[in-house]
This record gives sequence, structure tokens and C-alpha cells, in this order.
Amino acid sequence: GAVVSQHPSWVICKSGTSVKIECRSLDFQATTMFWYRQFPKQSLMLMATSNEGSKATYEQGVEKDKFLINHASLTLSTLTVTSAHPEDSSFYICSAPREGSTDTQYFGPGTRLTVL
Amino acid sequence: GQQLNQSPQSMFIQEGEDVSMNCTSSSIFNTWLWYKQDPGEGPVLLIALYKAGELTSNGRLTAQFGITRKDSFLNISASIPSDVGIYFCAGHKRDDKIIFGKGTRLHILP
Repeated sequence: GAVVSQHPSWVICKSGTSVKIECRSLDFQATTMFWYRQFPKQSLMLMATSNEGSKATYEQGVEKDKFLINHASLTLSTLTVTSAHPEDSSFYICSAPREGSTDTQYFGPGTRLTVL
Repeated sequence: GQQLNQSPQSMFIQEGEDVSMNCTSSSIFNTWLWYKQDPGEGPVLLIALYKAGELTSNGRLTAQFGITRKDSFLNISASIPSDVGIYFCAGHKRDDKIIFGKGTRLHILP
């Protein structure tokens, strides 16, 4: 069964609004989670590493004020897309490493964001 | 930056055929991972490889970690319709982020 969940699975919002996406590890703790963005027919692009108890680490070119990440607990990380614009429309996927491992990642089912 | 070259980009095969795809890199990796992604869903881990030369099977899937640690392949035997999807390879170095290939789209002809 699924080991990482995401909510919501899809969201449609108006330009200028903020959208929060949750990523939860089920039945295991994740001190680190990863947020990816995927455009149609493209590979996954790592946006940031979410760290429990400390600030997220953002990849080059990703605006940290635009994509706010909060690792609230050992099982929950949230990504907030602030003041969303149509170009932010994408498929956002989170992942968490298997407990005790830094390499094998389990992915959430993804969240489809459409900004009108 | 680091890149994984995954090939082929897409494949069109008949049901029942075997499938082979591979990933190569100029860098050495400690772990190779193979994922499958269905439309509108997150990637699902198929096989994880942790040791050079390792050959691992998962049902009809077989993957190998290349001896040079710079490549990996995935084979699917006797393909069935539910094998349709995008297959991603991913490489990981210790204490570094995972790098993904661009994916291989598998299509099965009726």
C-alpha cells in the first residue's frame, strides 16, 4: 500500500491566491522529505529538500519566498505556492526516504495544480 | 550538472514482447533505482540496486547495476498491457540528491 500520501490530489485556483499542499509519511518518520515539480512529458525536477526542525534547502533557481516549505512534524511537510500564477501550474510530487535509508525514495501520488 | 542518459525515449511494442531500457552516466553512483509512473500519479519504486554487478528481479522485471557503477538496465519480459507507462531510472550518491533520467515511455500496440 501507499507509504506517502499527498493532499489534495488536484486543485484549481485563481491567479494571486496561495495554495497549500501536504505530504505525509504513513507509518514511518521522515526527517527529510523532497519536493519535485514535473511538467508534462518531462522528468521530475527537484525543487527543495524539506528538513524537520530546520529550514528547507532550495535548488538553484527555485524561489524560496514563492514556494514556502514547512516540515511541521516527523510525518508532515507542506509546500505553499504563494501568489500563484498560471506558470506555476504543474504536477507537484513529494517523496520521503525509506526509514533508515537516504537513497530509496517513496513518492506521493502527486498534486495537480492548475492556476487560472 | 550531473545527467543520466536514459534510452530509448519511447518504445512501441507488441504485447508479449520483451523490453529493455538503460541508463548511463559519466558519474559513479552508489545506488540505482527504477521507477514506473502512470499518468497523473507519482512514481512507484520497482527495483533498487545497491551493489555494482547486482542483478535483481521483481516478477517479470529484472534490473542490473553496472560493474562500472555508471550504468544500469531494466528488462521487462513478456509485456502485458498494464506495463504501459513511463519508466524512470534514478541514481544516487551518498549524501547527495537523487538524479533522474528523462524517462522511457512504453507503449503497447493492440
